[in-house]
Amino acid sequence: EAQVTQNPRYLITVTGKKLTVTCSQNMNHEYMSWYRQDPGLGLRQIYYSMNVEVTDKGDVPEGYKVSRKEKRNFPLILESPSPNQTSLYFCASSLSPGAVAGELFFGEGSRLTVL
Amino acid sequence: AQKVTQAQTEISVVEKEDVTLDCVYETRDTTYYLFWYKQPPSGELVFLIRRNSFDEQNEISGRYSWNFQKSTSSFNFTITASQVVDSAVYFCALSEARHNFNKFYFGSGTKLNVKP
Repeated sequence: EAQVTQNPRYLITVTGKKLTVTCSQNMNHEYMSWYRQDPGLGLRQIYYSMNVEVTDKGDVPEGYKVSRKEKRNFPLILESPSPNQTSLYFCASSLSPGAVAGELFFGEGSRLTVL
Repeated sequence: AQKVTQAQTEISVVEKEDVTLDCVYETRDTTYYLFWYKQPPSGELVFLIRRNSFDEQNEISGRYSWNFQKSTSSFNFTITASQVVDSAVYFCALSEARHNFNKFYFGSGTKLNVKP
């Protein structure tokens, strides 16, 4: 089954404790991206990756890091989480956003709480 | 400035009513894509439609229809004869050629409540 898998789905952590949210897709997609969803703000793009070793900032990259060492994986790293990073996070992938079938496929979301 | 505006925060209708969700976008590009996604109470995001800026034909898919009007920078979504299963948050989104379509801008979403 074609899917985007995120882990963990739920996490409560404390300020400053480094954490990684993993994202993996099995559709051989070139493009992957991360979003955070906050009430009243919709989804905001954090980072995206056009291919292995190629990443760029979205609208809200501060406090986050990403890496794309393999095509299927695109982890989101919070080096020193703060309470304002409490949010619902979504990973998404696409064959290629400019292609005919360029829609985003989303993971199920990861709810992160930073105390 | 918001690139995608969904002014309706929440809408409540009774089953079988028609409902239109508004989406207004802002871009200087002539080439762009517009999207609608559905987020049901279970939380996942479901793709509904993608439209490119050169195709202003309205689209109909079952009870769903989309009205794309470049003159008013709008891409509105209508559900005909709404059903309880249509209850969800709906997001409109934009990607632009200037960023090779890699950047996505989402509206704040419209929560639709369909009551039996």
